[in-house]
Amino acid sequence: AQTVTQSQPEMSVQEAETVTLSCTYDTSESDYYLFWYKQPPSRQMILVIRQEAYKQQNATENRFSVNFQKAAKSFSLKISDSQLGDAAMYFCAYRTMNRDDKIIFGKGTRLHILP
Amino acid sequence: GAVVSQHPSRVICKSGTSVKIECRSLDFQATTMFWYRQFPKQSLMLMATSNEGSKATYEQGVEKDKFLINHASLTLSTLTVTSAHPEDSSFYICSATSSGGAPKNIQYFGAGTRLSVL
Repeated sequence: AQTVTQSQPEMSVQEAETVTLSCTYDTSESDYYLFWYKQPPSRQMILVIRQEAYKQQNATENRFSVNFQKAAKSFSLKISDSQLGDAAMYFCAYRTMNRDDKIIFGKGTRLHILP
Repeated sequence: GAVVSQHPSRVICKSGTSVKIECRSLDFQATTMFWYRQFPKQSLMLMATSNEGSKATYEQGVEKDKFLINHASLTLSTLTVTSAHPEDSSFYICSATSSGGAPKNIQYFGAGTRLSVL
């Protein structure tokens, strides 16, 4: 069975600085999707970034980028130029290639932005 | 972008009553929808996968008779918490994957429903 592990329950970063959230996963599949979701205090789940496992190039979305290490089964999220609005719970997630399959979430990392 | 509407956003009910939560895909078709439960400061726990026109698939430990799921159309799934009790108080979230009308391979999430059972 696939699992997703986030080993950092909470992290803090100074505004405008860079922070990296860690995520590891376990799967026997060769192709799959990985995601980072953000859940702000409103509790609306927001897709931050996604990575297809067959793509070697790391995904980027503006200030958000990932370091995808397939062999190590590692998928970390880097947030550059942190802003107060980045404060939220961040969930790493995994899904098979089947779009109707369930998403498996990690336990989350709560990110605090220090002004 | 694709929108999933979840209603109501907040509901307070008396113990023993039933509560229905609706999840609608507004601008795309969704043959598959998911229902999650989230306790405070915890991750999302998948309760069931809702398939249009067929029975839902429940995760282990989730009572089918307690949490009734109906997915009667390509844009609507409902979760009914039957004979609700205080321990059912929680935050419920639905999501949907597109089978037409929106980019696929993405789960779109509703804004959630906070259920409080007195």
